[in-house]
This record gives sequence, C-alpha cells and structure tokens, in this order.
Amino acid sequence: DGGITQSPKYLFRKEGQNVTLSCEQNLNHDAMYWYRQDPGQGLRLIYYSQIVNDFQKGDIAEGYSVSREKKESFPLTVTSAQKNPTAFYLCASSIRTSGTSYNEQFFGPGTRLTVL
Amino acid sequence: GQQVMQIPQYQHVQEGEDFTTYCNSSTTLSNIQWYKQRPGGHPVFLIQLVKSGEVKKQKRLTFQFGEAKKNSSLHITATQTTDVGTYFCAATMDSNYQLIWGAGTKLIIKP
Repeated sequence: DGGITQSPKYLFRKEGQNVTLSCEQNLNHDAMYWYRQDPGQGLRLIYYSQIVNDFQKGDIAEGYSVSREKKESFPLTVTSAQKNPTAFYLCASSIRTSGTSYNEQFFGPGTRLTVL
Repeated sequence: GQQVMQIPQYQHVQEGEDFTTYCNSSTTLSNIQWYKQRPGGHPVFLIQLVKSGEVKKQKRLTFQFGEAKKNSSLHITATQTTDVGTYFCAATMDSNYQLIWGAGTKLIIKP
C-alpha cells in the first residue's frame, strides 16, 4: 500500500527541546516537502528537497532543519530557536518537477506538535 | 512576497445550495492546483489547470482558470455533507518549484 507516513500523529514537547518529526514515503518520488499549517491558515513551506542529499529553504525555514540522506525519508527537526513551534506539520511528496511542468503533491496525515 | 488571495474565508450554505471560492493573483500564474482538506485531515489533490481559459469538471465540481491566468475559481453545485472541508488553491508563478498556497475557503453546511 503506497503512501506517505508521518509519525507521531500528536507530539508534546517542553519549551527549549529539539524535536524530530518523521516522514517516510514509498511512492518513489524524488521531491519532498515540509509545510506548517496554523489554525485557519494556508500552508507555508518550510523546506523542500528535489533530490537526495539536496534541500532548499522555503519561506519559513528559520528554527528548522532537515536532512535527505535517503530518497524515502525527509525528517524535520524543530529546534529550540523556533519561536512559536506549536502547529500542524504536513509532509508531502511529488514526482520531480521540471520547468513549468508541475505535479500534484501527495500529503501525509500530519503531526500536531504542541510545545508546553 | 508573491501571494495568492483566496476568498471568502468561510462560506455557510444550506445543503443543496451552491458554493464558490475564488483565487486571485496580481501576477500571471503558470498553473494552479486545487486541494480539499477535510476537518482534521490532510490536503488531497483535486485538479490542475494549466491553459488560459481552461474549464474542467468533476461531477458537481467545476474549475476555471481565467483568460489572463491571474484568477481561478471552484464551483460546487448542490452541496452535500460530504463536501464539507476547506478548499485550497495553490499556484506557481514561474519555474520556481514552490507552490504558493491560498489561505483556503472553509465550506460549512448549516444544520
């Protein structure tokens, strides 16, 4: 059964602690993305990766870090430098885009992070 | 930065009434995608529009891309309870790989 998995679904952390959110896909997609969604708002791009061992900052990368050591995996670390980390985090993947050809993104179920 | 404005933020309808959400940009869009997010869920891709003036239909859903490729709309005819959720547009404006997301329109069915 192909798809994207994110774990855990709910995560609670104390202020000042780093936390890593997992994202795994078995769709054989080259591109992966991390978004943040706050209540009543759209999605804001944190980081994206078009290929293994390469990733780019999105609009709100400050306080976050990622790695892309394997095609299937794109973990996101929320560091203590992120001032307001409580949010819903969504991971997505797509076939690698080229030029103006753009492909649909497939999303995981998300992780709700609450920092106490 | 580049923005896609989506209106309205909420729309309350009686079951059976129509629903429309609009996305607008001050710059020309390369293409636009539409997604649906059910309450508590994740966005699910509905459709992509690429050509100027393009109209696509999926059962009761009609998607349009403006002639100038600066606006788009999603219209649902005769809403049903299964239509409840938030509808997002997401667009690209150049060869950048980033999708720029609208803030979404939440469809609420009045009891």
